Amino acid sequence: EDQVTQSPEALRLQEGESSSLNCSYTVSGLRGLFWYRQDPGKGPEFLFTLYSAGEEKEKERLKATLTKKESFLHITAPKPEDSATYLCAVQEGYTDKLIFGTGTRLQVFP
Amino acid sequence: ETGVTQTPRHLVMGMTNKKSLKCEQHLGHNAMYWYKQSAKKPLELMFVYNFKEQTENNSVPSRFSPECPNSSHLFLHLHTLQPEDSALYLCASSQGLTGQGETQYFGPGTRLLVL
Repeated sequence: EDQVTQSPEALRLQEGESSSLNCSYTVSGLRGLFWYRQDPGKGPEFLFTLYSAGEEKEKERLKATLTKKESFLHITAPKPEDSATYLCAVQEGYTDKLIFGTGTRLQVFP
Repeated sequence: ETGVTQTPRHLVMGMTNKKSLKCEQHLGHNAMYWYKQSAKKPLELMFVYNFKEQTENNSVPSRFSPECPNSSHLFLHLHTLQPEDSALYLCASSQGLTGQGETQYFGPGTRLLVL
């Protein structure tokens, strides 16, 4: 069964304290892995799409990497405005479905 | 308006009411989706429309009825809901099956409370 597991469930960081979020997945035939950011009461905001193992993408303080079993979202020198829930999702085979994890709730304190 | 918009943003309804949620995308996409997001649970896909044809119905109860009159608009008609249907309902759109993983862009959601 296709599955996406995110860890940790919650993460508290001091401003400037770098860390990584993990997304491990089990899927038959990865078509794409997606990272989203979601603020309270809002819809998910697209961050990155990764398609194959070894791929990396960066945007400001965020860097996403992908292996055959997991993806990491690295946050370098985070700021309070990076506080949000980060969602990972995978798309398998030739379906329209995105399978989401439960997210990592990140809080960055000044 | 840009991106994906949803109305209303908040909705309170009784179990005997009938209401509709509306989604509109301004991205020129051909696929649209309804998701349900409940506390502590992953987003759950409900329905998928691709070029106005329903391609996915993820075992959703019949009290939820989708409608896609064209590629830009998607509705979710609600009737005789239960309190456990209270959740954030999210609409998303994507370009339409291209053979590679497609990015889905989400609207802000409708927060639904069923009393």
